[in-house]
Amino acid sequence: AQTVTQSQPEMSVQEAETVTLSCTYDTSENNYYLFWYKQPPSRQMILVIRQEAYKQQNATENRFSVNFQKAAKSFSLKISDSQLGDTAMYFCAFMKDDMRFGAGTRLTVKP
Amino acid sequence: NAGVTQTPKFQVLKTGQSMTLQCAQDMNHEYMSWYRQDPGMGLRLIHYSVGAGITDQGEVPNGYNVSRSTTEDFPLRLLSAAPSQTSVYFCASSYISPGGANVLTFGAGSRLTVL
Repeated sequence: AQTVTQSQPEMSVQEAETVTLSCTYDTSENNYYLFWYKQPPSRQMILVIRQEAYKQQNATENRFSVNFQKAAKSFSLKISDSQLGDTAMYFCAFMKDDMRFGAGTRLTVKP
Repeated sequence: NAGVTQTPKFQVLKTGQSMTLQCAQDMNHEYMSWYRQDPGMGLRLIHYSVGAGITDQGEVPNGYNVSRSTTEDFPLRLLSAAPSQTSVYFCASSYISPGGANVLTFGAGSRLTVL
């Protein structure tokens, strides 16, 4: 079974700065999908960004971008110009036949 | 559109009681799934379904039953609740598109406490 590891339980960043959240995964599959989800205090799960494994180009959504290293099985999330509203739990997820999540990183953006 | 609706939002049970968490979606999604979220462990997959009449086990299926009699509904049953099942439960659904990334739509979650 695929496993997803987020090695940073908590992180903090100053407003307007850049922060990178780490994610590694283990799989023998060649075609799959990777996601980052955000969970604010409201508990709602919100999709941040997704990446298809067959695409070499890193996905970007406004201030959010990923560094996808397929050979290293690494999928980090970079948040640029951090905003107070980015404070949340962030989950990395791997999807093949079903979706598996990492344990999450709690990000705090400080004013 | 209502999206994914979970009921109840909160529930307190005594050990040994049974209950059903309801999940309904109005998007005609083929795929539905249940996760539990515990501190420090992220979301763990309990059961999932790729269509009416089809269910399969995830990472942590013990103590839970599911059925999928319609496309819209995917209830999660706890037959004899245990304190270890105290958690927040999320239902999620998506289309199944061959070769495509199936983005999950999540419900708002149900907080269950077993005393």
